[in-house]
Amino acid sequence: DAKTTQPPSMDCAEGRAANLPCNHSTISGNEYVYWYRQIHSQGPQYIIHGLKNNETNEMASLIITEDRKSSTLILPHATLRDTAVYYCIVKSNFGNEKLTFGTGTRLTIIP
Amino acid sequence: DAGVTQSPTHLIKTRGQQVTLRCSPKSGHDTVSWYQQALGQGPQFIFQYYEEEERQRGNFPDRFSGHQFPNYSSELNVNALLLGDSALYLCASSGTDLMRSGNTIYFGEGSWLTVV
Repeated sequence: DAKTTQPPSMDCAEGRAANLPCNHSTISGNEYVYWYRQIHSQGPQYIIHGLKNNETNEMASLIITEDRKSSTLILPHATLRDTAVYYCIVKSNFGNEKLTFGTGTRLTIIP
Repeated sequence: DAGVTQSPTHLIKTRGQQVTLRCSPKSGHDTVSWYQQALGQGPQFIFQYYEEEERQRGNFPDRFSGHQFPNYSSELNVNALLLGDSALYLCASSGTDLMRSGNTIYFGEGSWLTVV
């Protein structure tokens, strides 16, 4: 699996947009970018994934650069419940490849 | 539609004992993976089961074993428990039918194991 690089921690004010960056410069052509988050003491929660086009769902938006070497997860209106560790992972969608977790970004929403 | 369910949620075992953790995958999923998450670290892949066979394995000793049943549910067994086995054990499921369930991996809430 390609490696990803994320900042270890970030703060964001409640109600503002939280923008979490991820670098994946060695991503392969068939690998997707996945985002998960883990709220303290719970299992990782799937947020969103994409290949090369920007994606949006009810939780977040995913912006992938044209060269696919980096991406940004956007939580449009952060709430206190968004405080969690966010993991950016690249993975092929062929077969059932395992997820390789890095250290993630600890996002703290400030009231 | 129930998600991934795991049991028990918490348990305490003594060094040298054996433990069995259980997992039911999300509806429509046929592949189950197990991860270990030590305190302060990201989840680490243990192994994956598909069609009742272990298909992939991470860097874990043979004390860690598993099983998948015909209904796709799975068990994780750990023998000769060590203090270092204390962790959150996560079950994850996914489907091979890309048309029906895609390939996204979903996690359960985990089983907290404390070895004393």
